[in-house]
Amino acid sequence: ETGVTQSPTHLIKTRGQQVTLRCSSQSGHNTVSWYQQALGQGPQFIFQYYREEENGRGNFPPRFSGLQFPNYSSELNVNALELDDSALYLCASSTSGGITDTQYFGPGTRLTVL
Amino acid sequence: AQSVTQLDSQVPVFEEAPVELRCNYSSSVSVYLFWYVQYPNQGLQLLLKYLSGSTLVESINGFEAEFNKSQTSFHLRKPSVHISDTAEYFCAVREMDSSYKLIFGSGTRLLVRP
Repeated sequence: ETGVTQSPTHLIKTRGQQVTLRCSSQSGHNTVSWYQQALGQGPQFIFQYYREEENGRGNFPPRFSGLQFPNYSSELNVNALELDDSALYLCASSTSGGITDTQYFGPGTRLTVL
Repeated sequence: AQSVTQLDSQVPVFEEAPVELRCNYSSSVSVYLFWYVQYPNQGLQLLLKYLSGSTLVESINGFEAEFNKSQTSFHLRKPSVHISDTAEYFCAVREMDSSYKLIFGSGTRLLVRP
């Protein structure tokens, strides 16, 4: 069974650019959540996708957007990058997004904005 | 507002000594509770969780946590730590009226010394 994978591992962008991060969910999982983990802090919830629909969003501006595809893989897009967007971006998948489901995390993508 | 507090940013301890990592939460509704561990350059791994039933939950590698509703705490303990336990530990809650997001604390770095 393949776990959650993310690509790329590391990414360097400049302020104002746009970035796309990718996540492949664990086999059998149809729900994907994205989190931002700034240096020295805990992860902050960005949004969740269930069966290709966004069904929950944290306190992040609209320039953070996402997609989920029919195979339940997902993308996180960030427009107009700011220096504060530098962080580790974590993707987590679960079987149904239910309240008692365990979220399984990928290794993350380290984004640096210069 | 809901929040999770991990007061200790770093806990140094000698190998084979006991350890307690503290976690307190604030919420207006009932919650589910989780501990995740993050090894260097890796994503988060679920260590243990409390959903219902016995307030004492255990992991397969010797950690345990006890849910104390009156004190709104979910402290993590291990009677004897190993060098390999060195990692960042995150406490998280999920509110029972919100199926989608985990709210994380800022993390505690456990540093086990020989």
